[in-house]
Amino acid sequence: DTAVSQTPKYLVTQMGNDKSIKCEQNLGHDTMYWYKQDSKKFLKIMFSYNNKELIINETVPNRFSPKSPDKAHLNLHINSLELGDSAVYFCASSQTQGYNQPQHFGDGTRLSIL
Amino acid sequence: LAKTTQPISMDSYEGQEVNITCSHNNIATNDYITWYQQFPSQGPRFIIQGYKTKVTNEVASLFIPADRKSSTLSLPRVSLSDTAVYYCLVGEVNYQLIWGAGTKLIIKP
Repeated sequence: DTAVSQTPKYLVTQMGNDKSIKCEQNLGHDTMYWYKQDSKKFLKIMFSYNNKELIINETVPNRFSPKSPDKAHLNLHINSLELGDSAVYFCASSQTQGYNQPQHFGDGTRLSIL
Repeated sequence: LAKTTQPISMDSYEGQEVNITCSHNNIATNDYITWYQQFPSQGPRFIIQGYKTKVTNEVASLFIPADRKSSTLSLPRVSLSDTAVYYCLVGEVNYQLIWGAGTKLIIKP
């Protein structure tokens, strides 16, 4: 059983398109995250939700919009894709929103913009 | 905000002990330190976490000196399968998460 699953695993699309990435966790955790990992492997947190409520909203373009229909799901919608959006996007979850809570990560969605 | 700094890369040999140090000079009183391991095409995986002194689990030890301005992840008797990127993370009381840039560890036979 995969604890944190993301779909799709690969996403290749053209500049200007709109796309969504889905994430689901079956760990019963309250908190979920979206990260962006660039080609240099630097991890940047984008958003965090706790019980469907947005708690971390880092400086990302407003073309990125997270949605949490329930606490087990956190989706990421991206409008008007740009070349610089090419990266690996990771979803993660933790038991609660505590700063000392270990996070469980999915295996990533590799987004390539043509 | 704390800033974390770690070496970009390290090499070692099978059977050796490997120590990776992360510097976090501005760490605040209640911040926590966590280390993650990442293999290619996978998400980071939790290794160990600590607040002060020494923490040990079945895969690693974490040493944190009294001033907490650094932490050292220690991997005993590494094998080829320990080749990965290792990240240091400082979790702040205000829920900010400060990730290091990662240390690429290469284990040679």
